[in-house]
Amino acid sequence: KAGVTQTPRYLIKTRGQQVTLSCSPISGHRSVSWYQQTPGQGLQFLFEYFSETQRNKGNFPGRFSGRQFSNSRSEMNVSTLELGDSALYLCASSLAGGPLHFGNGTRLTVT
Amino acid sequence: GQQVMQIPQYQHVQEGEDFTTYCNSSTTLSNIQWYKQRPGGHPVFLIQLVKSGEVKKQKRLTFQFGEAKKNSSLHITATQTTDVGTYFCAGPLGTTDSWGKLQFGAGTQVVVTP
Repeated sequence: KAGVTQTPRYLIKTRGQQVTLSCSPISGHRSVSWYQQTPGQGLQFLFEYFSETQRNKGNFPGRFSGRQFSNSRSEMNVSTLELGDSALYLCASSLAGGPLHFGNGTRLTVT
Repeated sequence: GQQVMQIPQYQHVQEGEDFTTYCNSSTTLSNIQWYKQRPGGHPVFLIQLVKSGEVKKQKRLTFQFGEAKKNSSLHITATQTTDVGTYFCAGPLGTTDSWGKLQFGAGTQVVVTP
């Protein structure tokens, strides 16, 4: 089985721009979660989707949004980028009640 | 809110030595999970503990879940260079049907010297 695929791997954006990150979960996994990883804050939960519905949202501003499609693929969007949004964004998929399977992540740099 | 703390933050180990990393939660957890992230990589699931006092072994790795289900430990024996990485513990933040929402500890970064 193919693992979780995230695109793109690297992104460089300027403050004020917006960005969309993509995640394709493992086949058969309907739950997709997003995490932000930074050296200072570690791994922080962004949101969780299941069957196209957002079930949970972390403590991030409204500039961070996401969605899930009927094929379980997910996207997250960050608008009005700030320098502090520079991070590794990790997507993880799982079966109900199962462990998280992470993708390689998207490294976002905001200049 | 719920906090998950890990100690130590850094662990320098001589190859062949044993070490233990600890994880403590401010609240009782329904389960605890451990992940390993190699340098430049992504977190990879190692194990999940569910029962109070549970002990599980994976080769040289021994995982324990405390009786009160608020703490956990990972013990590695005869450390090898392949053990290099950051080890995270994580507990569920939401309800039982929110398995994707985890509170991760800050991690223990393990460096192995030959």
